[in-house]
Amino acid sequence: QQPVQSPQAVILREGEDAVINCSSSKALYSVHWYRQKHGEAPVFLMILLKGGEQKGHDKISASFNEKKQQSSLYLTASQLSYSGTYFCGTANFGNEKLTFGTGTRLTIIP
Amino acid sequence: DTAVSQTPKYLVTQMGNDKSIKCEQNLGHDTMYWYKQDSKKFLKIMFSYNNKELIINETVPNRFSPKSPDKAHLNLHINSLELGDSAVYFCASGTDPSSYNEQFFGPGTRLTVL
Repeated sequence: QQPVQSPQAVILREGEDAVINCSSSKALYSVHWYRQKHGEAPVFLMILLKGGEQKGHDKISASFNEKKQQSSLYLTASQLSYSGTYFCGTANFGNEKLTFGTGTRLTIIP
Repeated sequence: DTAVSQTPKYLVTQMGNDKSIKCEQNLGHDTMYWYKQDSKKFLKIMFSYNNKELIINETVPNRFSPKSPDKAHLNLHINSLELGDSAVYFCASGTDPSSYNEQFFGPGTRLTVL
């Protein structure tokens, strides 16, 4: 079943923070985060694994709550280049394929 | 250097036709994927190959036939195209089929069936 992301869309001013959530109805083994700009391919951001630590680079970080079967992506002091649609991709125990979430459209305005 | 490339970038065709999309990766990866992204932006896996062997087939109609002549190539042939096949098709690759590793996506092929 497809993971559910929230919010579906968000508009922020440059410099504001954003949180994007990804929830699954099944136990999660790993969570991937990708960003897709309009008309382009999804680009990998980070992977979180069960039992692993919170990840992050620059001003983008993510957490993985195994008990709640969810992950959150944090964008701090957002830049115009952060605009795009963010997808989480989840993998379950014994299942190696990625199931992508419903997507969150992030728009950063000056 | 393009890591994952697809041809063509755009494909416009009539219902009932047969068409192919080609994908090549120069990353030395063992695993390749085909994804379909529909008009609502839902990204869904169709097939996965590891070392030329099919490992995932997500109940895709048998009008869709993937072929992997070698590790670096994964092509998608579609017979008897239908209106509902209109979508963007992405090829991707990864070092192995596990979910530990990132996937690298190609630029996509926008298929429009008239």
